[in-house]
Amino acid sequence: AQSVTQLDSQVPVFEEAPVELRCNYSSSVSVYLFWYVQYPNQGLQLLLKYLSGSTLVKGINGFEAEFNKSQTSFHLRKPSVHISDTAEYFCAVSDVEIKAAGNKLTFGGGTRVLVKP
Amino acid sequence: DSGVTQTPKHLITATGQRVTLRCSPRSGDLSVYWYQQSLDQGLQFLIQYYNGEERAKGNILERFSAQQFPDLHSELNLSSLELGDSALYFCASNRQGAAGNTIYFGEGSWLTVV
Repeated sequence: AQSVTQLDSQVPVFEEAPVELRCNYSSSVSVYLFWYVQYPNQGLQLLLKYLSGSTLVKGINGFEAEFNKSQTSFHLRKPSVHISDTAEYFCAVSDVEIKAAGNKLTFGGGTRVLVKP
Repeated sequence: DSGVTQTPKHLITATGQRVTLRCSPRSGDLSVYWYQQSLDQGLQFLIQYYNGEERAKGNILERFSAQQFPDLHSELNLSSLELGDSALYFCASNRQGAAGNTIYFGEGSWLTVV
C-alpha cells in the first residue's frame, strides 16, 4: 500500500517570493512521483514527474522538485511566484511495476497556495 | 485541454436518485480511471478500466458502478445517492505501456446531491 502526506494544507505567499510545498510518501515498493496542479474550477494538470535519473526535476511554469529517497520526500519549489500560481497542488505516487493497463495514482491531501500581491 | 472529455460538467439531483457520468478518454488511450474529489476525503481512486475490462478497484461504494464500452468511453453510475456523495468526479486516461506514463485528467463533473 502507498500513502502520500502533504505537510501543509495551506501556504500563503507574497508575489515574487519563493515557495516550497512539502511531500512525503510511504511505499513498500519503488515508486514514481508526480506533482499536479488544479486551478480554480479546472481539472488536474501535470506539473512534473520523477521516473529515474537526476533527482532534480524541472517542470512547467518554473516549478522544480527534488526526489530524496532516504527521506522519502519529493518537495516542490518555485523561486518566485506569480498571482497566477494561486491553485491547489497535489503530490502523487504510482508504483513502478510495468502493467499493460497502466498504474493508478495515489494522491496526497493537497496544498492550497494563495499568492498575495 | 487534456483531451479527456467529461459530461455533464454540473449536476444537481436529489437524494435517492441515480445519475450517470460520462467520460471520453484521449484518442488512443485504452485505460480510464475514475476519481472522486471531496472536501473530507480528498482525491480518492475509485476504479480503473482497460480496454473494456475492470483492472483495479479502489474505494468505490457498492452503490457505484462503472463500465467501459467498445468505443473506449466510460460511464460511472451512482445510485441511491446520499448527501455525502456530493463531490467532483474526475475521469482520467492514459495509454498502455511503461509505468510513469502521464495520466491526463478531464475537468470533472460536479455532482451536488440535495
